[in-house]
Amino acid sequence: AQKVTQAQTEISVVEKEDVTLDCVYETRDTTYYLFWYKQPPSGELVFLIRRNSFDEQNEISGRYSWNFQKSTSSFNFTITASQVVDSAVYFCALRPISSGSARQLTFGSGTQLTVLP
Amino acid sequence: KAGVTQTPRYLIKTRGQQVTLSCSPISGHRSVSWYQQTPGQGLQFLFEYFSETQRNKGNFPGRFSGRQFSNSRSEMNVSTLELGDSALYLCASSLGVAVGEAFFGQGTRLTVV
Repeated sequence: AQKVTQAQTEISVVEKEDVTLDCVYETRDTTYYLFWYKQPPSGELVFLIRRNSFDEQNEISGRYSWNFQKSTSSFNFTITASQVVDSAVYFCALRPISSGSARQLTFGSGTQLTVLP
Repeated sequence: KAGVTQTPRYLIKTRGQQVTLSCSPISGHRSVSWYQQTPGQGLQFLFEYFSETQRNKGNFPGRFSGRQFSNSRSEMNVSTLELGDSALYLCASSLGVAVGEAFFGQGTRLTVV
């Protein structure tokens, strides 16, 4: 079974501050995907990024960056120079790739990010 | 390219009734998954369909069922509604089972009174 833990329930920052959202996961699968999704008040889960378990290259995309460390089973997400529009609930998720596993998405409990003007 | 479309967006039902929710995936996507989101339990997997066949099922009672049509559109049905079924039901589409990322619709908010 998979488990995704987002220990930060709520984070509040002032606009233009950097903020890092933590994600720790557990899985027995050797190959898997990791994801970050954003859920604004409208309810739709917006896909942000996918990483493969065999690709530990970290990535920067505009104000977003991700730090994947397989050794510590962590997949953290950083927003640089946060903006009010970044306010949302952010979910980390895992999905096994191997055919012998139940391959649904397992989500963390989410982190409510509030960016204050 | 149109996104995932879920209908209706909002629904109010009475205990004991049944409800059917609809999901149209992104064109070309053949896998549709359903998730239930509640404040207490978070996001929980219901089931996944691919090529009109249920490929995976979560830990929900038999009152929750679904199906997929030849055009990949999917419906889920909940019979004998209970107050605890009040939730946001999200549909996700992807190219295939565990292939790439899943894209979600805006959800159907079901309220059972």
